[in-house]
Amino acid sequence: GAGVSQTPSNKVTEKGKYVELRCDPISGHTALYWYRQSLGQGPEFLIYFQGTGAADDSGLPNDRFFAVRPEGSVSTLKIQRTERGDSAVYLCASSSQQGGEQYFGPGTRLTVT
Amino acid sequence: GESVGLHLPTLSVQEGDNSIINCAYSNSASDYFIWYKQESGKGPQFIIDIRSNMDKRQGQRVTVLLNKTVKHLSLQIAATQPGDSAVYFCAENIGQGPGGTSYGKLTFGQGTILTVHP
Repeated sequence: GAGVSQTPSNKVTEKGKYVELRCDPISGHTALYWYRQSLGQGPEFLIYFQGTGAADDSGLPNDRFFAVRPEGSVSTLKIQRTERGDSAVYLCASSSQQGGEQYFGPGTRLTVT
Repeated sequence: GESVGLHLPTLSVQEGDNSIINCAYSNSASDYFIWYKQESGKGPQFIIDIRSNMDKRQGQRVTVLLNKTVKHLSLQIAATQPGDSAVYFCAENIGQGPGGTSYGKLTFGQGTILTVHP
């Protein structure tokens, strides 16, 4: 079956612009996670959804970052007033249950110029 | 190899050799550990996991060892193949959800670059 998909695969934007990154989890997976991976580093946790609600958003770096999952399936990570330091690969993962094995998508590479 | 700044530790082996990748984790309260493989341009791929009530777990060609006393985790790959070349990350589960269950907020280690020469 289909895995986790993320769109776009690459996004180049200018400093100060707004961007949205989309994640389609595996069908039926209730848990969804966003991570950010900078060059040469491991992924860093941003936010976790169980169903429609954000159960833990402690990893969001500041209030420019926001994520939603209105119907408990697709999630969108939104970044306002982008900064060059936001450049990274943004990874999404889903799991069939809380604490279960996480399946990662290919990521969206965001470049802020 | 040693890690300096943004340079990841590296391990180079010949095809057919066994590989051992090490990881030190930070939180003694972590109850779940996972090894991931990440190829260039792809997301991390699950390899094997282990819970804190175990010290060893075996999969197909892979074994994970957990030493809670020194907070150390290792991944052993038997008969390493060129297709095993990738960056390997250990991850620990920190954080408890309702009822004391772990909900999967993972903290990843730095990663090790494995290169397998034919």
